[in-house]
Amino acid sequence: QQQVKQSPQSLIVQKGGISIINCAYENTAFDYFPWYQQFPGKGPALLIAIRPDVSEKKEGRFTISFNKSAKQFSLHIMDSQPGDSATYFCAASKGGSEKLVFGKGTKLTVNP
Amino acid sequence: KAGVTQTPRYLIKTRGQQVTLSCSPISGHRSVSWYQQTPGQGLQFLFEYFSETQRNKGNFPGRFSGRQFSNSRSEMNVSTLELGDSALYLCASSFPRDRATIDGYTFGSGTRLTVV
Repeated sequence: QQQVKQSPQSLIVQKGGISIINCAYENTAFDYFPWYQQFPGKGPALLIAIRPDVSEKKEGRFTISFNKSAKQFSLHIMDSQPGDSATYFCAASKGGSEKLVFGKGTKLTVNP
Repeated sequence: KAGVTQTPRYLIKTRGQQVTLSCSPISGHRSVSWYQQTPGQGLQFLFEYFSETQRNKGNFPGRFSGRQFSNSRSEMNVSTLELGDSALYLCASSFPRDRATIDGYTFGSGTRLTVV
């Protein structure tokens, strides 16, 4: 049972464009929604995270949009750069638990 | 500060053997979680240890086990290895997560296990 569904599987964007990755969750008990970035040969690194009491959070070129009623959240990467080429994972967890449920990942390629 | 250290980085084992992987968390972090990453299944939670106690366990067979020591370092063990156990095993440490400030795990670079 996949509790967090992520799309698309892969994404190709031109330099300077906007990259958008979407996730949907099923468990309404989830209260923490992080995004991770993973480069080949490395572990995932926390990019940005949000709680359901806010609808949007922005950190630099990265923005999370959160829609609690639709049980969806998305990552927007503005002015995408070749250095952003990596695999991105959305995840969710519920209160009091360190267990993260991950989406399957999106491989982003930003062409120069 | 030093990150999460996982050893060894690479391992090749034969079916039926057992293996032990090690994780040293960030200094001060008391929670250690383990994940299995494969191309087909993605990142799947194995278990979490806090203060030497297993607090949470994923849906993996009993061949997968772990432990945590008093210095928060953790080991995971896989017995009777199967070909399907080939994966990147990731360890993550956290304080645990500070709910007030939204902190997250810090992952290590993983141990790449290949079972032949």
